[in-house]
This record gives sequence, C-alpha cells and structure tokens, in this order.
Amino acid sequence: NAGVMQNPRHLVRRRGQEARLRCSPMKGHSHVYWYRQLPEEGLKFMVYLQKENIIDESGMPKERFSAEFPKEGPSILRIQQVVRGDSAAYFCASSPPSLGTDTQYFGPGTRLTVL
Amino acid sequence: GESVGLHLPTLSVQEGDNSIINCAYSNSASDYFIWYKQESGKGPQFIIDIRSNMDKRQGQRVTVLLNKTVKHLSLQIAATQPGDSAVYFCAETTYGQNFVFGPGTRLSVLP
Repeated sequence: NAGVMQNPRHLVRRRGQEARLRCSPMKGHSHVYWYRQLPEEGLKFMVYLQKENIIDESGMPKERFSAEFPKEGPSILRIQQVVRGDSAAYFCASSPPSLGTDTQYFGPGTRLTVL
Repeated sequence: GESVGLHLPTLSVQEGDNSIINCAYSNSASDYFIWYKQESGKGPQFIIDIRSNMDKRQGQRVTVLLNKTVKHLSLQIAATQPGDSAVYFCAETTYGQNFVFGPGTRLSVLP
C-alpha cells in the first residue's frame, strides 16, 4: 500500500537548467494533481491530469512549464530554463478514478532550489 | 490566542484544550471540502472531509462544521496534543476539479 511517491525529494539546479519532477500516484489512482508551495504559504494548484490527458492546466505558467502523465510510468512536471523564482516545494497528489469528488492524497514533495 | 503574521496566521493553544481553526471559502458552488494537516518538511495529510449536503462530520478527536450560508468551514480538535502542532489547510472543490486551498493556519500547542 505505497502512498504517492515523488522523486527526487530535493533538487538543485542552476539558472537556465531544466528540472524534471516525477510523481508516481497511489496504486489504482488515475488522477494526478501538481501544486506549488512557497515557504509559509498555501498550496497553489498548477495542473490536473488523467492518463494521457491534461484536464486542467489553468494554474500552470504558459511558458517553461509542462506536465504529462503517460499511459505507462510516472507523471512528470518539467520546468525549462529555471529561474530563482521557481524555487519552491512541488507537491503531487493523486485520487482514484470515480465520478464526483474524491480526496486527494499527497506525496512528500520535491524541494527545488535554483541557484 | 490568534495572531496574523507576515504570512500564516498562528493559533496558540494549551495542551489539552480544544482548538478551533477557521476557514472562509470563496465558491458557493463548491460541493466538497477537506481539511489537511501539514507538518514541517512533509506533504499535506488528509484529516477529514465533508460534502455540501452535510453541516457537521465527526472523526476521531476532530469535527468539521460547514456553514454554507456564510461560506465558512471550521475544524475542531478536541484535547489538543503536541503532535497536533502543524499547519492546517482547508480545501474546496467542485465536482473534483478546481481544488482551491486556503492560506493555512499554524497551530502551536503550548505545554
């Protein structure tokens, strides 16, 4: 009964590099959400994906950020040409496939530091 | 007492007392609400949820109250323990989409 897994837990990048954050949802879950959290602040929704589909990306910056959830493998949040302002904790959550509402279960997060 | 810092409001309570954490939500169409607990360096952890057709739900030592008239949600923790110290977030959603999290409240339990 592994929970939501994220890796790496900590990621350091220099300005201009790419950051790739991975999220493996709980077994049986087909919905994945990505959130960003700055220190001492709440979680900001970025993107909601189902297998091979982006359902809602209204919270994701139009440039440099992309997300995918392929048929096989983890969900990936990709940040190109990182800037210092991208430093934050990025959390992934998953929920089971069902109609209506369901609780999201969160992973431990990836803490991205941009030097 | 409760104070508002630069970012997170903080609620300080004595160990053994009851805690009440409040949350104002924004969307009158929201139909599902969740309280999460986040300890330092960890991801949010589900505590309790409530659907919009209810006004109260109880768990183990926790109770969530929903007042749809004023769009207000509260989390009550009975007999607060040191392990309850964390940041607590409320979240609202409509049909499982558009999850919106509140700004969070830091609960500090005093010995």
